[in-house]
Amino acid sequence: NAGVMQNPRHLVRRRGQEARLRCSPMKGHSHVYWYRQLPEEGLKFMVYLQKENIIDESGMPKERFSAEFPKEGPSILRIQQVVRGDSAAYFCASSTKDNSPLHFGNGTRLTVT
Amino acid sequence: AQKITQTQPGMFVQEKEAVTLDCTYDTSDQSYGLFWYKQPSSGEMIFLIYQGSYDEQNATEGRYSLNFQKARKSANLVISASQLGDSAMYFCAMREAYPYGGSQGNLIFGKGTKLSVKP
Repeated sequence: NAGVMQNPRHLVRRRGQEARLRCSPMKGHSHVYWYRQLPEEGLKFMVYLQKENIIDESGMPKERFSAEFPKEGPSILRIQQVVRGDSAAYFCASSTKDNSPLHFGNGTRLTVT
Repeated sequence: AQKITQTQPGMFVQEKEAVTLDCTYDTSDQSYGLFWYKQPSSGEMIFLIYQGSYDEQNATEGRYSLNFQKARKSANLVISASQLGDSAMYFCAMREAYPYGGSQGNLIFGKGTKLSVKP
């Protein structure tokens, strides 16, 4: 079984550009989570989605960040008008249901120059 | 207050010895889950072990075991017979009960412990 697939693995954007990060959950998983990790820190929750629904976006910055998980296709984390402070590793995770382990992708390393 | 506290920023252990990584948590829920993840230098997050708050027995997975002390709100990870490949960051995480339609359910992570295994 393929694990959680994230792409791209590395993404470089100039300030002001848009970044789109993709995540395909494990087969059979309908819950998707996005986390951000700054260097030398733990993972910070951003958003929790199920198909076509945002369940919890309490960790998402109010501006420039958005996420979706359409009926067909991968989940997308979108960052508009990126700034240097957005540079981080962004991890996607999926699970089958509440309180089951989250399985993580390999992350997307975003660098804003 | 922090939900998950890992008090050891770094730990050293001799190869083949056992090591305990500490984790304490804070919750008022009765139903929750505790998780440990390993993050090697390559960056991926690897799920190691899970303990449910109602589980009577301590969880074990191969060389990993979770020393769950509910009254103390601690969930320490024990790695037996350490190997060089165990050198990594280790994160403790908690997931509180998720009522349908509510806003809980995500994993809350501690700051991690960097384990170095010496040959």
